[in-house]
Amino acid sequence: GQNIDQPTEMTATEGAIVQINCTYQTSGFNGLFWYQQHAGEAPTFLSYNVLDGLEEKGRFSSFLSRSKGYSYLLLKELQMKDSASYLCAVRADGKGANNLFFGTGTRLTVIP
Amino acid sequence: EPEVTQTPSHQVTQMGQEVILRCVPISNHLYFYWYRQILGQKVEFLVSFYNNEISEKSEIFDDQFSVERPDGSNFTLKIRSTKLEDSAMYFCASLMHSPEQFFGPGTRLTVL
Repeated sequence: GQNIDQPTEMTATEGAIVQINCTYQTSGFNGLFWYQQHAGEAPTFLSYNVLDGLEEKGRFSSFLSRSKGYSYLLLKELQMKDSASYLCAVRADGKGANNLFFGTGTRLTVIP
Repeated sequence: EPEVTQTPSHQVTQMGQEVILRCVPISNHLYFYWYRQILGQKVEFLVSFYNNEISEKSEIFDDQFSVERPDGSNFTLKIRSTKLEDSAMYFCASLMHSPEQFFGPGTRLTVL
């Protein structure tokens, strides 16, 4: 099975940097994803890591350590519109279907 | 930019009734998924579909659920006899080869 943990809520200030951590335990690990979800909307893709290390994409970066079962999402130069839930998801091998298993999400509130 | 579409956006039904949720994945995508999200909870995998058959399904996807790709564009989720606990947001997603799954806007199902 899959077990994915991330903090429930975080608050950060506009213009600052925030790091959202995710730990996971899974069989057949085949990649870790971060999605952003605004209330009442669909998840939208932010980043993907399958190898150890840092992936940078503009204001967003994601890190993975497979040996530690650990990832983080780093958001820089926070903007008010970054207030949303951030979902850590693990892709597990299963007949090549690339199914995603999500954590409960971290609700980030950006304050002025 | 191509996108996944879902209809209806909101479906209200009586307990015990059948519902069909419709999705139009991105054309030329090969893998199709249904996920659900009960209000305030995590996104949960239901089923994946590839090459006109179910690739994998979760424990949630019991005999009350079925999926179909009746033509070259639509992908449907049927719930035969809805229960109160089926009330949730249902997301369709599709995938080509890249790791990113593209999610539709969701159908909010309310069972009374």
